Amino acid sequence: QVQLVQSGAEVKKPGASVKVSCKASGDTFTSYYIHWVRQAPGQGLEWMGLINPSVGSASYVKKLQGRVAMTRDTSTSTVYMELSSLTSEDTAVYYCARGLKFSLYFDYWGQGTLVTVSS
Amino acid sequence: DIVMTQSPDSLAVSLGERATINCKSSQSLLYSSNNKNYLAWYQQRPGQPPKLLIYWASTRESGVPDRFTGSGSGTDFTLTISSLQPEDVAVYYCQQYHSHPPITFGQGTRLEIK
Repeated sequence: QVQLVQSGAEVKKPGASVKVSCKASGDTFTSYYIHWVRQAPGQGLEWMGLINPSVGSASYVKKLQGRVAMTRDTSTSTVYMELSSLTSEDTAVYYCARGLKFSLYFDYWGQGTLVTVSS
Repeated sequence: DIVMTQSPDSLAVSLGERATINCKSSQSLLYSSNNKNYLAWYQQRPGQPPKLLIYWASTRESGVPDRFTGSGSGTDFTLTISSLQPEDVAVYYCQQYHSHPPITFGQGTRLEIK
């Protein structure tokens, strides 16, 4: 069955970068988009952007442009999300999620990765 | 950006009773070319990732109990749980995928048992 398995929790200092991975299995990796959604403690869901694994192109939310980069490794069916210049406001659970290419709802989600930014 | 507004923010319903959650978008989510509303609903239980319940505003995801029903069109949508069960305690989110970037979510509705 389809699975998205994310890397483990991270603790980072302000100003540092974090790179979270999301390994897909159970279906054709390049047939879907992979999205990243984050959730600050006690807050709602915030879409960060998406990557098309078949060509590697990505689209990001405006507020994160310049700080976020989504990449993929097709040989391992893994997508990466790197966020730089971290502040305490980036403390959140980061989810990867799968979306169809022409209907961008999310049918499978990773388990989430907690990123804590603290001095 | 399309703004999604849910109401109420929280809701307490007795077991076996009906729960209704509303979602309003700042722009129409209906594509006239295919007559589809680009609106999804998710359920998030504590400590878990969101789970897809409904897409195209009214299509139930495989495996979702039929007590969950999505309705509405254009800018006004509703998620109805016909007979509340203990496992339905969760936060529910609507999401638009009509115009992106960005994809946007409602702020969430917390559903509890009265």
